[in-house]
Amino acid sequence: AQSVAQPEDQVNVAEGNPLTVKCTYSVSGNPYLFWYVQYPNRGLQFLLKYITGDNLVKGSYGFEAEFNKSQTSFHLKKPSALVSDSALYFCALYNFNKFYFGSGTKLNVKP
Amino acid sequence: DSGVTQTPKHLITATGQRVTLRCSPRSGDLSVYWYQQSLDQGLQFLIQYYNGEERAKGNILERFSAQQFPDLHSELNLSSLELGDSALYFCASSAVIGQGREAFFGQGTRLTVV
Repeated sequence: AQSVAQPEDQVNVAEGNPLTVKCTYSVSGNPYLFWYVQYPNRGLQFLLKYITGDNLVKGSYGFEAEFNKSQTSFHLKKPSALVSDSALYFCALYNFNKFYFGSGTKLNVKP
Repeated sequence: DSGVTQTPKHLITATGQRVTLRCSPRSGDLSVYWYQQSLDQGLQFLIQYYNGEERAKGNILERFSAQQFPDLHSELNLSSLELGDSALYFCASSAVIGQGREAFFGQGTRLTVV
């Protein structure tokens, strides 16, 4: 069975500090992994994806994610957080014609 | 703007009623997904269509149905509505069915059942 877990409901970080939002997955076969961000009353916006190749994937707005096959993780990172990064972040796994989403992590960046 | 259009943005209706949510995918996208987002259940996959054909089904209630038309727009029909159906309903589209293709989401239809 395939699944995605985001172990933290909320992450708090000060502006200018690095941030990490965690994601682990379970799938048989090669994983196809995505990160999306949702701002209040908005749809989900695509940030980045891992399909194959380099384990460090760069995406929009300075975000990047590190794929780790041995730890079955795909953590989202940013070297320096902005207040405007505050939002709900979803990790997703694509398999069998559907996206499986994690429960979401609320990121709070404080000035 | 993702290019995916959902109408209406907000809908308030009474229990027992039927509503239709509409989705226009991005130009050229053949695949449409429907998701339900509620506070207690997160993002739940409902159904997926590709070029007019149903390709994947999730936890979609029998009271719900969907279709994708020849012009590729899609409609989600919700009937015999209950209070618990109140949620944000998202449509997403992608170019093709493929393991590496990201989906682009509309802004959602917020359904409130009273």
